[in-house]
Amino acid sequence: EIVLTQSPGTLSLSPGERATLSCRATQGVSRNSLAWYQQKPGQAPRLLISGVSTRATGVPDRFSGSGSGTDFTLTITRLEPEDSAVYYCQQYDRLATFGQGTKVEIK
Amino acid sequence: EVHLLESGGGLVEPGGSLRLSCVVSGFTFNNYAMSWVRQSPGKGLEWLSGINTAGGAFYTESVKGRFTISRDNSKNTLYLQINNLRAEDTALYYCAKEAAAAGIPLLDSWGQGTLVAVSS
Repeated sequence: EIVLTQSPGTLSLSPGERATLSCRATQGVSRNSLAWYQQKPGQAPRLLISGVSTRATGVPDRFSGSGSGTDFTLTITRLEPEDSAVYYCQQYDRLATFGQGTKVEIK
Repeated sequence: EVHLLESGGGLVEPGGSLRLSCVVSGFTFNNYAMSWVRQSPGKGLEWLSGINTAGGAFYTESVKGRFTISRDNSKNTLYLQINNLRAEDTALYYCAKEAAAAGIPLLDSWGQGTLVAVSS
């Protein structure tokens, strides 16, 4: 099983700042099979990014993904209050597993 | 608009069984693989099982033998049968649409979930 570890656990930033979220896999993730999801309180997760760096329909371009192999990053530039959420990475290379999540708080 | 509506959750005693359902609309159900994901209270997401358009089923190791996924394309409905329920199965269970037919669990649409509570 591919285990994904996300860091940091919580990120507390001000509006307009840049958030950098990390996701590290215990094995290489092939075929760029890495996605990011956003979950706000009381809501279902929402797909943000697939294939490491492809934004889903309607996702603002301040969200971007990068990485390869075992190390992946979600970057949110110019944070807005509505970006307050928990963000999960997921690999879908070998079945599926999720990271434990990073909570982004907007001060 | 894609819509997924789960049902079938509830309070169950340990050792009991439940069948969760997920009725979908807004897309051609039999063209897409589907998955079940759960979230324990205050915890993260756990992918449980997926089923492709040919009916091929896939499970995470920890639920093999107790969970059975199935689909009825004539009813646009996905199911998850859970047997021998344990306290650690207490969670919100989501159904999710996969982005393709082949059973690659990239989940592009989610329901709102149905809550399963296991307690005596």
